[in-house]
Amino acid sequence: EVDLVESGGGVVLPGGSLRLSCAASELNYDYFAMHWVRQTPGQGLEWVAGMGWNSDKGEYADSVKGRFTISRDNAKHSVYLQMSSLRPEDTAIYYCAKAMDNYVGSGVDVWGQGTTVTVSS
Amino acid sequence: DIQMTQSPSSLSASVGDRVTITCQASRDISGYLNWYQQTPGRAPKLLIYDTLSLRRGVPSRFTGSGNGTDFSFTISSLQPEDFVTYFCQQYESLPITFGRGTRLDMK
Repeated sequence: EVDLVESGGGVVLPGGSLRLSCAASELNYDYFAMHWVRQTPGQGLEWVAGMGWNSDKGEYADSVKGRFTISRDNAKHSVYLQMSSLRPEDTAIYYCAKAMDNYVGSGVDVWGQGTTVTVSS
Repeated sequence: DIQMTQSPSSLSASVGDRVTITCQASRDISGYLNWYQQTPGRAPKLLIYDTLSLRRGVPSRFTGSGNGTDFSFTISSLQPEDFVTYFCQQYESLPITFGRGTRLDMK
């Protein structure tokens, strides 16, 4: 089973930017869509963004549209989440997650261990 | 967006008990529903996909059922390691949405 390892979390000021990375352990990852999902104690789990296996177009939650950008580099078996104009309400554990199929509308089967983003002054 | 109403939010039970958790979708999701288990501090783990398919390696005491808007997840005989949190996820349409989770406590 593919392992997903996120990195790039940290503490950032409101209005700041952060780039999360997710590295997959298996070559087969390239043929699946990938997602970012975040989790907070108060709001639970929230899907943030997703991208198909060969797509250059991401899909986004309304709460992050225009501020976050998902991208992937299949040659590096990696997916990224560029976050800008960060707000305190973006504070969460961010999970990279592999989809069950190659299109962004398929559900999630494998999750990374998560990386924590804290937006605070 | 499709809203997923999961209940109960918490449940007290004993080892060996049978428990059922439900998720109701705000509209027909055509069976596109997964169930996950999450241990504190760990990533969620997929148990059931497409409403009733058991993921490879998951014990058979976990089952899923339902259709349309109403879905359920049952643990037939609770084991000590099952006292964690469970939640549902719909993927009939974007945005993918989740239930708020059910925490299983030992009585």
